[in-house]
Amino acid sequence: AQSVTQLDSQVPVFEEAPVELRCNYSSSVSVYLFWYVQYPNQGLQLLLKYLSGSTLVKGINGFEAEFNKSQTSFHLRKPSVHISDTAEYFCAVTRGGGFQKLVFGTGTRLLVSP
Amino acid sequence: NAGVTQTPKFRVLKTGQSMTLLCAQDMNHEYMYWYRQDPGMGLRLIHYSVGEGTTAKGEVPDGYNVSRLKKQNFLLGLESAAPSQTSVYFCASSYGRYANTGELFFGEGSRLTVL
Repeated sequence: AQSVTQLDSQVPVFEEAPVELRCNYSSSVSVYLFWYVQYPNQGLQLLLKYLSGSTLVKGINGFEAEFNKSQTSFHLRKPSVHISDTAEYFCAVTRGGGFQKLVFGTGTRLLVSP
Repeated sequence: NAGVTQTPKFRVLKTGQSMTLLCAQDMNHEYMYWYRQDPGMGLRLIHYSVGEGTTAKGEVPDGYNVSRLKKQNFLLGLESAAPSQTSVYFCASSYGRYANTGELFFGEGSRLTVL
């Protein structure tokens, strides 16, 4: 079975600084990987996804993530954050092919201060 | 663009009361899901459905029932609410088997408090 670990429950950062949110997964088969963002009092929305191909994936709002199979990681990065990026970020994994249930990490709260 | 709509958005119940959360999607998606979100635990799958008339248990199904009588609707029921069911509930939907990449489309959530 797959699992996802987000080691940081909360990441404080100053505006315009770079940020990396860490995600590690465990699976013995090929996987699809996702980052979702949840703004306060809203549902989750897709930030970016890795299905196959290039290991560097670009998403909305200037975020990107790199799939590293050898380290089983899918870390999310942004070179310069804004106050509006304050939100909770969830990493998720599912097996490739057909219907497979999505497994979520416990989330990382990104707090951007001026 | 309505997407996934959940009703009600807020509800307070007393222990032992029953209620139903309604989820409606207008994207013609085959699959639908109910998750609960609790602090420090991420999202946990309660029940899901891979098509009209079918439902299946997820990770934390106890105390909940679901029905999918119409393709666009997925109902989550609590027959006898308990304080442990205080949570934020999210409905989601996705494409069917041959177009499914795991990407989910979420509603805005329903906050339930059980006293």
